[in-house]
Amino acid sequence: AQSVTQLDSHVSVSEGTPVLLRCNYSSSYSPSLFWYVQHPNKGLQLLLKYTSAATLVKGINGFEAEFKKSETSFHLTKPSAHMSDAAEYFCVVSEPTGNQFYFGTGTSLTVIP
Amino acid sequence: EAQVTQNPRYLITVTGKKLTVTCSQNMNHEYMSWYRQDPGLGLRQIYYSMNVEVTDKGDVPEGYKVSRKEKRNFPLILESPSPNQTSLYFCASRGNSSPLHFGNGTRLTVT
Repeated sequence: AQSVTQLDSHVSVSEGTPVLLRCNYSSSYSPSLFWYVQHPNKGLQLLLKYTSAATLVKGINGFEAEFKKSETSFHLTKPSAHMSDAAEYFCVVSEPTGNQFYFGTGTSLTVIP
Repeated sequence: EAQVTQNPRYLITVTGKKLTVTCSQNMNHEYMSWYRQDPGLGLRQIYYSMNVEVTDKGDVPEGYKVSRKEKRNFPLILESPSPNQTSLYFCASRGNSSPLHFGNGTRLTVT
């Protein structure tokens, strides 16, 4: 069975400081993992994906995530937050066939000027 | 432009009145799926389709129907909507080994 836990429902950072959004997963198989971002009144946009290649994955807009199998984690980071990063972020796991996707409950990121 | 298009963006209806939310993609993707998003619950998969005439239940299929008569279209049908189906709905598609592409969502209110 697959599941995703996003450890923080809300994160608030100051502009220019690092961002850390935490995600733990549970999977019976070697998972595919994703981070998506949702801006207000918009659909979800892919930030990055892990599919068993390099454990450090770089995405768009300066985001990256590290797959740690021993910790079953896939935390999202960014060195310096920008005002435009304020949004809802979802960690997602899919089972091997890629037909079913399991979403975390989301983390709302606020960036303070 | 590659996109997933949902219509309508907003819909208010009454209990029991059948409705359809349309979804169309122009990327020739075989896989399409529907999700509902509720506060504190994230997105939950309703139905998915791996190809024309092939559909399967996701985690929360009760009260919903889908059809896949053509590759590009995957409508979501609520035969008898109820207030607990008030939600934000997303359609998504993907090609082989590619991530999901999402539509902009349909906000449904059932009174």
